[in-house]
Amino acid sequence: KAGVTQTPRYLIKTRGQQVTLSCSPISGHRSVSWYQQTPGQGLQFLFEYFSETQRNKGNFPGRFSGRQFSNSRSEMNVSTLELGDSALYLCASSPTGAAYNEQFFGPGTRLTVL
Amino acid sequence: SQQGEEDPQALSIQEGENATMNCSYKTSINNLQWYRQNSGRGLVHLILIRSNEREKHSGRLRVTLDTSKKSSSLLITASRAADTASYFCATDAGSNYQLIWGAGTKLIIKP
Repeated sequence: KAGVTQTPRYLIKTRGQQVTLSCSPISGHRSVSWYQQTPGQGLQFLFEYFSETQRNKGNFPGRFSGRQFSNSRSEMNVSTLELGDSALYLCASSPTGAAYNEQFFGPGTRLTVL
Repeated sequence: SQQGEEDPQALSIQEGENATMNCSYKTSINNLQWYRQNSGRGLVHLILIRSNEREKHSGRLRVTLDTSKKSSSLLITASRAADTASYFCATDAGSNYQLIWGAGTKLIIKP
């Protein structure tokens, strides 16, 4: 069974630009969660999608958005990039939700904002 | 906000020794999970323990949960170089749809 894949693996953007990150969950998993990981703040929850519906959202500004498609693939978008958005963005999938069962993580997308 | 806080922040031990790390949390939980992160394999799930469980084992790993003290511990026995990683606890904090993570314990196994 293929694992969680994320594309691209690395991104370099400049302030003010926008970026779209993609996540393909494990086949059959309907829940996809997104996290931002930085050295100073650890893992911060961004949002969780299940069957194309956002069930929960973390404490991030509206510049951070996401969606999930009917095949469970998910994208997240960050508009008007700021220097502080530089981070590792992790996507994780699980059958029904993070709180119920283990999450399987992708390798992450390393975003650098210059 | 962080629900879990791991202790210690860093731990360095000799190969073959046991490593214990702790996690404390603030609100009631349904379950608590431990994950490991290293540069080679990314973030990997280790154990999930539910609020009605007190102890769980998986290979060389032993997790305990004390809901009265709002704390959990992860014990790695007979440590190996490959155990070098950061270890995180994550709780559902009563929410069905998200996990809240601690800052992690950085474990270094010296050969």
